[in-house]
Amino acid sequence: TQLLEQSPQFLSIQEGENLTVYCNSSSVFSSLQWYRQEPGEGPVLLVTVVTGGEVKKLKRLTFQFGDARKDSSLHITAAQPGDTGLYLCAGGKGNEKLTFGTGTRLTIIP
Amino acid sequence: DVKVTQSSRYLVKRTGEKVFLECVQDMDHENMFWYRQDPGLGLRLIYFSYDVKMKEKGDIPEGYSVSREKKERFSLILESASTNQTSMYLCASRTGFTQPQHFGDGTRLSIL
Repeated sequence: TQLLEQSPQFLSIQEGENLTVYCNSSSVFSSLQWYRQEPGEGPVLLVTVVTGGEVKKLKRLTFQFGDARKDSSLHITAAQPGDTGLYLCAGGKGNEKLTFGTGTRLTIIP
Repeated sequence: DVKVTQSSRYLVKRTGEKVFLECVQDMDHENMFWYRQDPGLGLRLIYFSYDVKMKEKGDIPEGYSVSREKKERFSLILESASTNQTSMYLCASRTGFTQPQHFGDGTRLSIL
């Protein structure tokens, strides 16, 4: 059973546009992490959010954890080709394991 | 920087072979993980280890085993490889429960 659903699965937009990707679950998580994976490499952590309603910004990327800690979003402003990659959310429940989402493959067209 | 090294980037094996995937981390991390990554399914946890000689089943352990004889090394073993084990395998490590996982670059395994 996949506990974290990401949408859209694929997204292709022009450079300079804004976009939002979503990570949804029916389960409550104590923390939510976002990773980006580029071709031929392993995922790299972008951010961790731990409080319901929390918003974190990383340059042009804005991450939000839902109030009920069941969902999260990633918003990118003025997308650039360097943002291209596979974005993965991962939920933690304060114990040993992370549950990874299904992934959103983002392509930014120059 | 944390370095997680997987022994092979690409590997081709035959059905029924015993396959070993090796992972080494250089930051004295307690926890290590093995995932497989398939399109549309994200990362699925196969096995993980809290410490030397300790191992726990993940979500999809069937057909796999692991070994952790030294803290820095975590090995994934396919006892008798099958074609449905063709996948990208990722190893990760972290220092503690609330810390981020650091990933290797993956091993793309093909079973013919």
